[in-house]
Amino acid sequence: DAGVIQSPRHEVTEMGQEVTLRCKPISGHDYLFWYRQTMMRGLELLIYFNNNVPIDDSGMPEDRFSAKMPNASFSTLKIQPSEPRDSAVYFCASRPSDRKSFFGQGTRLTVV
Amino acid sequence: ELKVEQNPLFLSMQEGKNYTIYCNYSTTSDRLYWYRQDPGKSLESLFVLLSNGAVKQEGRLMASLDTKARLSTLHITAAVHDLSATYFCAVGETSGSRLTFGEGTQLTVNP
Repeated sequence: DAGVIQSPRHEVTEMGQEVTLRCKPISGHDYLFWYRQTMMRGLELLIYFNNNVPIDDSGMPEDRFSAKMPNASFSTLKIQPSEPRDSAVYFCASRPSDRKSFFGQGTRLTVV
Repeated sequence: ELKVEQNPLFLSMQEGKNYTIYCNYSTTSDRLYWYRQDPGKSLESLFVLLSNGAVKQEGRLMASLDTKARLSTLHITAAVHDLSATYFCAVGETSGSRLTFGEGTQLTVNP
């Protein structure tokens, strides 16, 4: 298995633009998580899905952030409009029930 | 709200020495994870601890969990340079699948 696949690996965008981050979880994993990592705030859970259904989105910073999981093999995290303070590394992770999570390589987002 | 604290946050040690990283958490939990992250890389799962008294070992790393004390430790034995990385503990909430991460311990092993 190729593991959790995220794209793009790097994204540089101008403030105000829409950004879409993509994630392909490991096949057969029931859970998908989106995390954000910054120096100031460390690793934060933004949202997670179970069987494609959003379960807990309390970590989503504000309405500019949205996440979808239209099927078991694909999820997106969208920021619209983007702001410089959104600059971070965004990780997607997946896992089967009651097991450890596998993380993707992350998307390094820079908003200028 | 679950809070997770690691200490130390920075650890510089010599090869061959032993040391322990601590992870304290504030509320009851039934699972705790340890991850490793190399600079600019993703997180790699090291250990999953699911019960009080659980102890797991791999190579020079050993993790343990005391749910009564709300404490986990990651013990490093005879450190080698390859262990240099940032180590995170993450604690699962009893309801749901949310994980709360500690701040991370940046370990540097010097020759």
